[in-house]
Amino acid sequence: QSALTQPASVSGSPAESITISCTGTSGDIGYYDYVSWYQQHPGRAPKLMIYDVSNRPSGVSNRFSGSKSGNTASLTISGLQAEDEAVYYCASYSNSNTLVVFGGGTKLTVL
Amino acid sequence: EVKLLESGGGSVQPGGSLGLSCEVSGFTFANYAMSWVRQVPGKGLEWVSGISASGGKTYYADSVKGRFTISRDNSKKTVYLQMNSLRAEDTAIYYCVKDHVWSPKCNFDSWGQGTLVTVSS
Repeated sequence: QSALTQPASVSGSPAESITISCTGTSGDIGYYDYVSWYQQHPGRAPKLMIYDVSNRPSGVSNRFSGSKSGNTASLTISGLQAEDEAVYYCASYSNSNTLVVFGGGTKLTVL
Repeated sequence: EVKLLESGGGSVQPGGSLGLSCEVSGFTFANYAMSWVRQVPGKGLEWVSGISASGGKTYYADSVKGRFTISRDNSKKTVYLQMNSLRAEDTAIYYCVKDHVWSPKCNFDSWGQGTLVTVSS
């Protein structure tokens, strides 16, 4: 069982917006502003999409945005495109023995 | 261009040992923390271990503590993961990842292609 909780799947139509939630605890998401999001296409390594809750690395589309409220972080993808179909993982720094915790992943389907 | 190239994966029997290496290029290696993240094929991601930029601090997931050792050689631009007392549940693709800063956080901005470790009798 993953330390962070994500929905198993979400879906949306092209041009729509979707939001993926990631729920942790007061020892990880709720305490630190070190939350990141990764996109993984089949057979590929994950790719960083958001870091430090809401920052986008160079080259990542501004259709991707991140936020946090309490113990829950969120990834929003606006203007959905077919190439956004992938599995998305959240991660957080943690004050537990395990320094970094991941969510179980959310499969995004673009209808 | 940032590149991370893992090597050393393969098959090993339970209780055996295996060492992974990750040689990097395209950035100032000595300035950044590095970690290993693993993924059982078809499953989710699990952080395994991390090391600070200087190599002075190391961190481990509870699942591997006491069995795995992370190290780095900044002169060779290489990070290592020595895995001992391997178990079937250690079977996974192991990714070498670069952090965004000098101390491991969770901002892994570059990933290797991964190397498969299979623990089976």
